Amino acid sequence: GAGVSQSPSNKVTEKGKDVELRCDPISGHTALYWYRQSLGQGLEFLIYFQGNSAPDKSGLPSDRFSAERTGGSVSTLTIQRTQQEDSAVYLCASSPRDTDYEQYFGPGTRLTVT
Amino acid sequence: AQSVTQLDSHVSVSEGTPVLLRCNYSSSYSPSLFWYVQHPNKGLQLLLKYTSAATLVKGINGFEAEFKKSETSFHLTKPSAHMSDAAEYFCVVSEPPGGSYIPTFGRGTSLIVHP
Repeated sequence: GAGVSQSPSNKVTEKGKDVELRCDPISGHTALYWYRQSLGQGLEFLIYFQGNSAPDKSGLPSDRFSAERTGGSVSTLTIQRTQQEDSAVYLCASSPRDTDYEQYFGPGTRLTVT
Repeated sequence: AQSVTQLDSHVSVSEGTPVLLRCNYSSSYSPSLFWYVQHPNKGLQLLLKYTSAATLVKGINGFEAEFKKSETSFHLTKPSAHMSDAAEYFCVVSEPPGGSYIPTFGRGTSLIVHP
């Protein structure tokens, strides 16, 4: 079946612009995670959605970052007024349940802020 | 709170020799443990997982890991490295409901395989 997809695969934007990153999870997966991976670094947790519950936003680095998940499926991560330090690969993962099940990762969106 | 430590940032081996990637964890619960692999410019792929069944877990591509509760370790091994194994490897810990439901990733170990 189809895996997790993310779009765009690459995004180059100017400092100060807003960007939207999209994640399509595997159908039926109730949990969805966003992570950020900077060059040579591990994964930094950003936000977690589980079903219809309120998302866990504890990893968002600033109020310029926000995310939503519509209809329990597609998710959009929005970064407002982008800064150069936002440059990274943004990874989305979905899971059929909570943490007892493995996560299925998308290929990521590489964001470059110039 | 849970945590995970990958003891080596880089591991270099020759093709055909054994691979050992070390991971130690900390958790107040009986955690689930995972190893993921990330090839250059690719997303993460699950190698194997431990979820309180057999302590020796076999994964894809000949990798296996042993859960040792007394040592709080979950080291990843492979008897014979291939060039295609060169990648970044992440050890991950997650706790059952009641604990932290956000998986914690190690900082990664870069596996370098020499011909």
